[in-house]
Amino acid sequence: DGGITQSPKYLFRKEGQNVTLSCEQNLNHDAMYWYRQDPGQGLRLIYYSQIVNDFQKGDIAEGYSVSREKKESFPLTVTSAQKNPTAFYLCASSRTGESSYEQYFGPGTRLTVT
Amino acid sequence: AQTVTQSQPEMSVQEAETVTLSCTYDTSESDYYLFWYKQPPSRQMILVIRQEAYKQQNATENRFSVNFQKAAKSFSLKISDSQLGDAAMYFCAYRSANSNYQLIWGAGTKLIIKP
Repeated sequence: DGGITQSPKYLFRKEGQNVTLSCEQNLNHDAMYWYRQDPGQGLRLIYYSQIVNDFQKGDIAEGYSVSREKKESFPLTVTSAQKNPTAFYLCASSRTGESSYEQYFGPGTRLTVT
Repeated sequence: AQTVTQSQPEMSVQEAETVTLSCTYDTSESDYYLFWYKQPPSRQMILVIRQEAYKQQNATENRFSVNFQKAAKSFSLKISDSQLGDAAMYFCAYRSANSNYQLIWGAGTKLIIKP
């Protein structure tokens, strides 16, 4: 079955530690995205990538970093510079081109930093 | 910059009844796409329905339909014959046809289904 996997589902870290969230897709999509979701708010874009070895900052990129070395993978690192990292993180992917291509989402990772 | 507003933080409906969720957006563009996504308690985001701005006909997917009013910049979602499985957060999202595929999201509406 094609889809997006995110691991782990729950992640706990101590303040001051960097942590990497995994996102893998087998949909052969060119574009991938990372979102942050906080209670009572919509999704906010952290980073996105339209092609391998290229990515752009979204609205809230500070304190985060990404890489896109393979088409299938788009890991997100939450660094110690992120002031309030506890949140639910969603990874998504989509086709690219001039059409109403939807974004497909993974199941998400709940990160708790104490 | 484009914005998406969902003015109803929470809605409730009796099972088997019809409910309409509101969404308005602000844009100066003429070509764009609109989406409704559903996020059940599992938190998996699922596409419900999409609408291309250049299409005058309102999109329909089984029990889900939209009322797209381009001039009013309104994009409401109607759920007919509500079922318990429809209980979820519903998010409205906008994407410019000229953009780098970014979605602009509303804050969401929590839909409660009363048995």
